[in-house]
Amino acid sequence: EVQLVESGGGLVQPGGSLRLSCAASGFSFSTYWMNWVRQAPGEGLVWVSRISSDGTTTAYADSVKGRFTTSRDNAQNTLYLQMTSLRAEDTAVYYCARDDSLAYSGGYYTYFSYWGLGTLVTVSA
Amino acid sequence: AIQMTQFPSHLSASVGDRVTITCRASQDIRNDLGWYQQKPGKAPNLLIYATSRLQSGVSSRFSGSGSGTDFTLTISSLQPDDFATYYCLQDYNYPWTFGQGTRVEVQ
Repeated sequence: EVQLVESGGGLVQPGGSLRLSCAASGFSFSTYWMNWVRQAPGEGLVWVSRISSDGTTTAYADSVKGRFTTSRDNAQNTLYLQMTSLRAEDTAVYYCARDDSLAYSGGYYTYFSYWGLGTLVTVSA
Repeated sequence: AIQMTQFPSHLSASVGDRVTITCRASQDIRNDLGWYQQKPGKAPNLLIYATSRLQSGVSSRFSGSGSGTDFTLTISSLQPDDFATYYCLQDYNYPWTFGQGTRVEVQ
């Protein structure tokens, strides 16, 4: 059974840092791209970042570029999100999600078929 | 960034109703669009990917259509378990973007 379990959330002051983890099990973690998605209280979903299966390629939302870094440890089956210079607007539940893809002649369709339960990050003084 | 405009933002419907939700992209995204359902306090759940492909295990009352900039999610006969919030997501290019969500409520 595929499982994704986030941890590391909590209360942090503005300007502070936090590292989130996502422990993966039930699938071959090292062969899948992974993502972070967040949701502020009462708000919609926002894609945050994506990382390739080997960790060499990353992409970020404009709102977190330069402040957040996503990485992974394939030996430990764990995805990370290092968050720095945190702002009140970063307050959200952070989900990790597994990339699945379907090849077609023009490229790949990508979708998130597995999600973790999320971890809450609160940025407040 | 590609803007995904989703409407309506909320709708009231009854069990058995046919429901349609629309997402409009600010530029051509071919068929690189998925739909997700989310219930309060839960992680989202994939319904449709690649515009119209039904995720395994998802009821066939859900269907997706469209191409380019205009996409729809249709629930053919609303069931009690379908009252939730629905989001579209474009994965055509970075940054990937979700629609603002459509909350489907009991009429």
